[in-house]
Amino acid sequence: TQLLEQSPQFLSIQEGENLTVYCNSSSVFSSLQWYRQEPGEGPVLLVTVVTGGEVKKLKRLTFQFGDARKDSSLHITAAQPGDTGLYLCAGDETSGSRLTFGEGTQLTVNP
Amino acid sequence: GAVVSQHPSWVICKSGTSVKIECRSLDFQATTMFWYRQFPKQSLMLMATSNEGSKATYEQGVEKDKFLINHASLTLSTLTVTSAHPEDSSFYICSASRLYWGNTEAFFGQGTRLTVV
Repeated sequence: TQLLEQSPQFLSIQEGENLTVYCNSSSVFSSLQWYRQEPGEGPVLLVTVVTGGEVKKLKRLTFQFGDARKDSSLHITAAQPGDTGLYLCAGDETSGSRLTFGEGTQLTVNP
Repeated sequence: GAVVSQHPSWVICKSGTSVKIECRSLDFQATTMFWYRQFPKQSLMLMATSNEGSKATYEQGVEKDKFLINHASLTLSTLTVTSAHPEDSSFYICSASRLYWGNTEAFFGQGTRLTVV
């Protein structure tokens, strides 16, 4: 089973600050997804990155897939309280439809 | 994105009883569904992989006789927590995967908060 290390595990910042969440592995993934989960709900898919070096933007969120497809980052610009939640990265194992999840980053944006 | 519906969203049951949780993929067929357990502010812990028409594959440490999984159709998987005890209280989430342009995307149900008293 491929492992995904996600950091930081917890992050508490003030509204307006920028932040970056990292997702790293020693293994190569065919694709990587980022999810956001709010308390009491299931995770919601934010983006899928496929190509090494790929950068995708979703409003104030920027996702990047490493050149070697072993790591990914999520950058949030000018964070808002509505960005608070658990962010999860998940890698697509090439052997099937099973995803490997990182440990998650609990983000709190204080007003 | 695709829609996965999980029911119930919360349930309270007495110790020793059984609880069934349903997971439905509403707009696509899912040959594989997954059941997770999640503790507060932690990531998802995979319990089992539910395969349509065959036995589920359980992760190490998960009791198959306690967590019964049935995947009778391409759109429905059920998880039954048998003889529930307070330590089974948790947030249970299902997901259904589909291939999109050759890559796996997972869509999650809303989760079920189980409280055993």
